[in-house]
Amino acid sequence: NAGVTQTPKFRVLKTGQSMTLLCAQDMNHEYMYWYRQDPGMGLRLIHYSVGEGTTAKGEVPDGYNVSRLKKQNFLLGLESAAPSQTSVYFCASSYPYQPGYDEQFFGPGTRLTVL
Amino acid sequence: AQSVSQHNHHVILSEAASLELGCNYSYGGTVNLFWYVQYPGQHLQLLLKYFSGDPLVKGIKGFEAEFIKSKFSFNLRKPSVQWSDTAEYFCAVGDYNNNDMRFGAGTRLTVKP
Repeated sequence: NAGVTQTPKFRVLKTGQSMTLLCAQDMNHEYMYWYRQDPGMGLRLIHYSVGEGTTAKGEVPDGYNVSRLKKQNFLLGLESAAPSQTSVYFCASSYPYQPGYDEQFFGPGTRLTVL
Repeated sequence: AQSVSQHNHHVILSEAASLELGCNYSYGGTVNLFWYVQYPGQHLQLLLKYFSGDPLVKGIKGFEAEFIKSKFSFNLRKPSVQWSDTAEYFCAVGDYNNNDMRFGAGTRLTVKP
């Protein structure tokens, strides 16, 4: 099993550009999450999904959109990137429990720089 | 909303020293508590977790944590650290009634050989 994978690993954008980060998991997990990690701030939840076709806002959702068209995939989109979105993005999944209930499995992260 | 505080931002120890990393949270309800570790260049992985029962929880690689409800604390300990424990450690608090998981800012541990 590959676990949780993320594409791409690194990306540099110019302000105003758009991009999509892809997260895939092969553990048949119901719940999937997108976090951003910033120095001194730990991980903050952007959006999460409790199942295929559903999404919900987390702590810092502004400037991001997500989609969960297939159970195994969770996409994070930036429509118009801003320098404040420079961060490391982590995807995670858990099964079958809801946020806060049990262990989350994390992907390797995507380092995004917005110039 | 609940918050999680990790008081130590960067801890430097020599091998064989004892470790204690502090974690406090602000939430009065029932919570689940976690410690995750992120080794250099790797993703976060679970170190240990507490749901209920014995407040002293043992995890992987000789780590343990103690839940003290009256102090809203879940401190991580290891009696004797190794160079390979160099990593960043995150405390997390889960409130499943409100679909909420909050992470602390992390503590970077450097162990000198």
